[in-house]
Amino acid sequence: KAGVTQTPRYLIKTRGQQVTLSCSPISGHRSVSWYQQTPGQGLQFLFEYFSETQRNKGNFPGRFSGRQFSNSRSEMNVSTLELGDSALYLCASAPPGLAGGLVDTQYFGPGTRLTVL
Amino acid sequence: AQSVAQPEDQVNVAEGNPLTVKCTYSVSGNPYLFWYVQYPNRGLQFLLKYITGDNLVKGSYGFEAEFNKSQTSFHLKKPSALVSDSALYFCAVSMDSNYQLIWGAGTKLIIKP
Repeated sequence: KAGVTQTPRYLIKTRGQQVTLSCSPISGHRSVSWYQQTPGQGLQFLFEYFSETQRNKGNFPGRFSGRQFSNSRSEMNVSTLELGDSALYLCASAPPGLAGGLVDTQYFGPGTRLTVL
Repeated sequence: AQSVAQPEDQVNVAEGNPLTVKCTYSVSGNPYLFWYVQYPNRGLQFLLKYITGDNLVKGSYGFEAEFNKSQTSFHLKKPSALVSDSALYFCAVSMDSNYQLIWGAGTKLIIKP
């Protein structure tokens, strides 16, 4: 199976602009999560989508939003970019959990490196 | 509140020596525990997980981890380190009733020849 793909891999934007990142999960995975990784804050959970519905959300401002399409592909949008939004944005997909649970192993994409100038 | 702690920012080990990367957690209920590794400029890769059953879990690349409920720990170990094991290691925990993974801050593992 093909792995999780993220596009674009690198992005440079200026403050105030908006950006959309895309994630294609592994075939058959319906859960997609987004993370922000920075040297200072580590890995921080943004949100998770399952079957086109946001199931969990982290503590990020409303400038960060996402959606999931019927084919499980997901997009993340950041509006009014700030310098502090510069980070590696990781997407991960997961199969349904074991024995009816909600989560199992996550499979990560290579990330999108966003630089805000 | 749920939390995961990786008490060491960096661990240095000589090649061929055993290595341990520490992880402790605090959750209510039964945890699902994970270890992931991140190589430079790459996404995270799954190493191993504990869901239930045997407390000693074996994973990829010769790594293993032991679930210790009384000490709420899930330390990652390898009997003989390789230079190629040098990477950033993350411990994470989730609960069956709550999808969201809680992540540790990561530990940089450096294996010296």
